[in-house]
Amino acid sequence: KNEVEQSPQNLTAQEGEFITINCSYSVGISALHWLQQHPGGGIVSLFMLSSGKKKHGRLIATINIQEKHSSLHITASHPRDSAVYICAVLFRDNYGQNFVFGPGTRLSVLP
Amino acid sequence: DTGVSQNPRHKITKRGQNVTFRCDPISEHNRLYWYRQTLGQGPEFLTYFQNEAQLEKSRLLSDRFSAERPKGSFSTLEIQRTEQGDSAMYLCASSLPSGGWTEAFFGQGTRLTVV
Repeated sequence: KNEVEQSPQNLTAQEGEFITINCSYSVGISALHWLQQHPGGGIVSLFMLSSGKKKHGRLIATINIQEKHSSLHITASHPRDSAVYICAVLFRDNYGQNFVFGPGTRLSVLP
Repeated sequence: DTGVSQNPRHKITKRGQNVTFRCDPISEHNRLYWYRQTLGQGPEFLTYFQNEAQLEKSRLLSDRFSAERPKGSFSTLEIQRTEQGDSAMYLCASSLPSGGWTEAFFGQGTRLTVV
């Protein structure tokens, strides 16, 4: 069974701060997603990673396959970044291919 | 709109009633996933289809839950005899299959409240 953990669970930051959210998982994966969920429930896929690093605007995601760890960084944070950030891993087991989601990190960015 | 579409967005129902949700995936995606998310938790996998075949069903999915994808396009998730514990956000996602990895796109979800 693949366990996915995220830290911190909750994070409050001041506007402009650099933010890091961490994700760790227990077994080998095909890929890892970072998702953003706003109040109201809609989920947006931010990144999909299978190795290395990706950057999109103020967001940077990294993954270390050997250490089974990924980080999501937000530079120059803004109140509109306030959301729940969810790490989801895609892996293959005896039943096929599936996602396992982390519990999410709730981010509040204060003006 | 070419994204994953879910209907309705919100549903309030009395305990014991049946409800049905619909998901329209991205047209060329032949994989379709259903997830359930309760307040404060990450999504939990319920079931997934490749084309019209339901390939996996979670143990979380009791006999009151049934999902179909009759023509390999849209899918429906039905909950019979709803219970208060069924109150949650029901999320649908779709993807292309591949030998390595896939990219799943999520719908906006259907929020179910059982009163």
